[in-house]
Amino acid sequence: GAGVSQSPSNKVTEKGKDVELRCDPISGHTALYWYRQRLGQGLEFLIYFQGNSAPDKSGLPSDRFSAERTGESVSTLTIQRTQQEDSAVYLCASSLVPVVSIPETQYFGPGTRLLVL
Amino acid sequence: AQKVTQAQTEISVVEKEDVTLDCVYETRDTTYYLFWYKQPPSGELVFLIRRNSFDEQNEISGRYSWNFQKSTSSFNFTITASQVVDSAVYFCALRGRTFAGANSKLTFGKGITLSVRP
Repeated sequence: GAGVSQSPSNKVTEKGKDVELRCDPISGHTALYWYRQRLGQGLEFLIYFQGNSAPDKSGLPSDRFSAERTGESVSTLTIQRTQQEDSAVYLCASSLVPVVSIPETQYFGPGTRLLVL
Repeated sequence: AQKVTQAQTEISVVEKEDVTLDCVYETRDTTYYLFWYKQPPSGELVFLIRRNSFDEQNEISGRYSWNFQKSTSSFNFTITASQVVDSAVYFCALRGRTFAGANSKLTFGKGITLSVRP
């Protein structure tokens, strides 16, 4: 079946502009995560969605970052007034929701490479 | 707080050599889960393995093997008879105990870039 897809694959923008990044999770996966990967670094958690529950936004680095999810499908990560420090790869992952205390494996999309000039 | 340390940043080997990628973790949870992911040049993270903290049995999958040592908080990954296609960045990740529906966010190490030369 289809994996996690993300668009665009690459985005170049000017400092101060807003950008929107899109994620389509695997069908049936109700949990969705956004991570950021800076050059040469590991992944940093940004935000988590699960069904109709309030999202866990604890990883968002500033109020310029926000994300939405439509039901249990598409999610959009928005960065307002982009800064050069926002340049990174933004990765989306989805998983089934655990029904017992065992985390389900997260499956990742190919990422969006964002470059802020 | 949780932390994953991958002290090796870059490793270069010649094809058919064995190579071990180190991973050391820190957590206060008594139940936790460890993962390895592979990130080839295409950028997409590929899941390799998940290990529960209460299961210390080592695992082998083809040329891949994993050595989980709870006493030293390590979860090392060995590739036997490496191939050029193994060239990628490898990430070790940790997730603490979870509850149904809870955020299963992963804490990642910085990754190890493995280059396998023909």
